[in-house]
Amino acid sequence: SAVISQKPSRDICQRGTSLTIQCQVDSQVTMMFWYRQQPGQSLTLIATANQGSEATYESGFVIDKFPISRPNLTFSTLTVSNMSPEDSSIYLCSVDGTGPTDTQYFGPGTRLTVL
Amino acid sequence: AQSVTQPDIHITVSEGASLELRCNYSYGATPYLFWYVQSPGQGLQLLLKYFSGDTLVQGIKGFEAEFKRSQSSFNLRKPSVHWSDAAEYFCAVGARRDDKIIFGKGTRLHILP
Repeated sequence: SAVISQKPSRDICQRGTSLTIQCQVDSQVTMMFWYRQQPGQSLTLIATANQGSEATYESGFVIDKFPISRPNLTFSTLTVSNMSPEDSSIYLCSVDGTGPTDTQYFGPGTRLTVL
Repeated sequence: AQSVTQPDIHITVSEGASLELRCNYSYGATPYLFWYVQSPGQGLQLLLKYFSGDTLVQGIKGFEAEFKRSQSSFNLRKPSVHWSDAAEYFCAVGARRDDKIIFGKGTRLHILP
């Protein structure tokens, strides 16, 4: 299994500003994923981040709005840029498991409120 | 394209009663299937998963799920619910173990005392 931490756990931000969310895992992993959960909604994948390559974004998400860094095998950041109230969500990172029958592990999430 | 349907947005059961949460998926090949639970203010916890083999899978907290290929279903069951089971339950599908996961919209479970 993997233990994942995210910082900050929550934040309240002003419209037009940016927030960078950190995701740290206690072991080296190949793939990291960033999801968004809007209020009362399910989780939607934003992008997949592999170390050493650019992130792959899902339809409806763009790099200018959600730049992602993946500097090593245990860390990633997601920036929510030029925020608006519609960006108020929980942002979760997840990592792939290491065993052949392992699964994805999710971080505790970052609850973002944009005023 | 992969998709997951959870037809019930809310379900209410009495404590001690049995539970079944429905999940239907759409995927061309044998999918990887998951059930996650999210308690209020908590993170996402994996209840169980199906990759291959026995179609009846056991999970944590007394939950089980049955993969039925003919019905494209992966329903979650528990014989006797506890008040602590009140939470949001998400069914999800992936193409591989390390692939992105597509989530259903979730079913919120309410428990009556």
